[in-house]
Amino acid sequence: AQTVTQSQPEMSVQEAETVTLSCTYDTSESDYYLFWYKQPPSRQMILVIRQEAYKQQNATENRFSVNFQKAAKSFSLKISDSQLGDAAMYFCAYRSAGDTSGSRLTFGEGTQLTVNP
Amino acid sequence: KAGVTQTPRYLIKTRGQQVTLSCSPISGHRSVSWYQQTPGQGLQFLFEYFSETQRNKGNFPGRFSGRQFSNSRSEMNVSTLELGDSALYLCASSLYGRSLSGANVLTFGAGSRLTVL
Repeated sequence: AQTVTQSQPEMSVQEAETVTLSCTYDTSESDYYLFWYKQPPSRQMILVIRQEAYKQQNATENRFSVNFQKAAKSFSLKISDSQLGDAAMYFCAYRSAGDTSGSRLTFGEGTQLTVNP
Repeated sequence: KAGVTQTPRYLIKTRGQQVTLSCSPISGHRSVSWYQQTPGQGLQFLFEYFSETQRNKGNFPGRFSGRQFSNSRSEMNVSTLELGDSALYLCASSLYGRSLSGANVLTFGAGSRLTVL
């Protein structure tokens, strides 16, 4: 079974600065997808960024980018120019690409990000 | 277009009762997944439905059940409620039931907060 680990329960960053959230995972599969979701106090999970394991190029979405190290099974999220609205719980998630896995996600424990003005 | 709608948003039940939660997916989405979120266990996969068929099931007792209707709306039911069932129940929908593409991204609802007294 796959596992996802987020070793930073809490992180804080000053507004306009950069912060990196860590995520490692364990899998024996070669094809899979990785995601970062944010969950603000409103509770709704919002997709931040996704990465296909077969792509070597790191995904980027505006101020959000990832550092995907497949061999090390590491998938960190970098938030540049942090904004107050970035404050949320961030979850790293794994999904197998196998036919039987459907849409099942395995989540990490989450990292609570605080943005200080 | 409308997002994933979950009802009710909040509910309080007592031990031994049963509860039914509803999820209306994004129009056109045929896959619906359910997750339980608790402070102690984090986010755990309950089950997934695609075209009215359960495709995947997480490691939960038989008291947790679900179904999907022909219009893709889904319900989950928890019988004989226990204190430990207090949680945020999240529903997510996606276009496809198979992990064919990274485009098969889950969109989450705001959740149903269940409190068991």
